[in-house]
Amino acid sequence: EIVLTQSPATLSLSPGEGATLSCRASQSVTNNLAWYQQRPGQAPRLLIYDTSKRATGIPARFSGSGSGTDFTLTISSLEPEDFAVYYCQQRREWPLTFGGGTKVEIK
Amino acid sequence: EVHLVESGGGLVQPGGSLRLSCAASGFNFGTHCMSWVRQAPGKGLEWVANIKQDGSGIFYVDSVKGRFTISRDNAKNSLYLQMNSLRAEDTAAYYCARVLVDYISTPFDCWGQGTLVTVSS
Repeated sequence: EIVLTQSPATLSLSPGEGATLSCRASQSVTNNLAWYQQRPGQAPRLLIYDTSKRATGIPARFSGSGSGTDFTLTISSLEPEDFAVYYCQQRREWPLTFGGGTKVEIK
Repeated sequence: EVHLVESGGGLVQPGGSLRLSCAASGFNFGTHCMSWVRQAPGKGLEWVANIKQDGSGIFYVDSVKGRFTISRDNAKNSLYLQMNSLRAEDTAAYYCARVLVDYISTPFDCWGQGTLVTVSS
């Protein structure tokens, strides 16, 4: 199975700062990568799919990039509601797999 | 507005069974692949199973193969997960998730709030 490794595990930042989250795949997933946000006590929410396509209603401060095995989620300027856990996920092959998550916390 | 509402979770003994349901509304259920995703307490997300629009093309994570069965009833706008031979490691919140239209596996563009399954004696 394709293993997704997210780094860092925790990112401590202040509102207004930019955030860069990494997701590395154990083998190429071409562009078949998505990002989800999960706030405490809530279900996950789709942010980005196919590496760089924003889901409906997602603000432009969220962007995705990468290809093959290395991917990045960038949040240009953190809003208070952006402090959450972020997961990447691949659909290149079965089984579908998620990364372990990056927690973005308030510094 | 799109809604997915799971039900059927609860406390069950090891070796027992549960059937989860997911009631969908606000969209054409029959045009979307659907999925179950779980999250153990304090842990990350784990995909469990997918089913295509017409009930064919079913896929499972290895750890549940032979024990869990995903199904759907398009006439009732409902998704199901029959869970047998439950183990302690199946303890998790189980989410029903909709696959983005025209996609087969993911991404999951809509999620329910989850139903908690606890396997313990």
